[in-house]
Amino acid sequence: GNSVTQMEGPVTLSEEAFLTINCTYTATGYPSLFWYVQYPGEGLQLLLKATKADDKGSNKGFEATYRKETTSFHLEKGSVQVSDSAVYFCALSDMDSNYQLIWGAGTKLIIKP
Amino acid sequence: SAVISQKPSRDICQRGTSLTIQCQVDSQVTMMFWYRQQPGQSLTLIATANQGSEATYESGFVIDKFPISRPNLTFSTLTVSNMSPEDSSIYLCSVEGLGKGHTEAFFGQGTRLTVV
Repeated sequence: GNSVTQMEGPVTLSEEAFLTINCTYTATGYPSLFWYVQYPGEGLQLLLKATKADDKGSNKGFEATYRKETTSFHLEKGSVQVSDSAVYFCALSDMDSNYQLIWGAGTKLIIKP
Repeated sequence: SAVISQKPSRDICQRGTSLTIQCQVDSQVTMMFWYRQQPGQSLTLIATANQGSEATYESGFVIDKFPISRPNLTFSTLTVSNMSPEDSSIYLCSVEGLGKGHTEAFFGQGTRLTVV
């Protein structure tokens, strides 16, 4: 079945550091891929998405490229801020899962000033 | 897009009691989803609620423990019954957008439940 694997957290960085959070997936079809973010005390919200191979999703300085050859969708940001501290979830959706989202375990990001 | 209002936002409950969580959407949607997020963990789907039919529960979740109502296309409730401390979690309702292959989920702000 479909699955999503994320790097374990927490990830602790200093402000202005470069961020990478790894995400790989297993899917039999051609899934859409998502990154969701959960700020402290809030629900989840969509950060970015990509719906086909080689697409790049971007938002708020974050980027992720849909790499079919490596089945990956790594999240990157060139210079993180304290306000980026949150939990980040990678997810996929495709026909085989009846378009229901399959979630990664989440990666907690802590940015220190 | 969809705006989801979920309440209560948090509650502290005595073991053995029940809590009903409400979820209101600003547009009509076919499916609504209820998730549990235990401390420090990812989301676990409890059930899918379709209007006019019984909810579909995932493995490990049963209707007697988590009864769900879906009276119309904009509203759903999840009840956590006969609570124990193990039920302490964040409960989230969600809807998914339309469009095959391009769904994105919208979430309520969650209900943080503590059972004492």
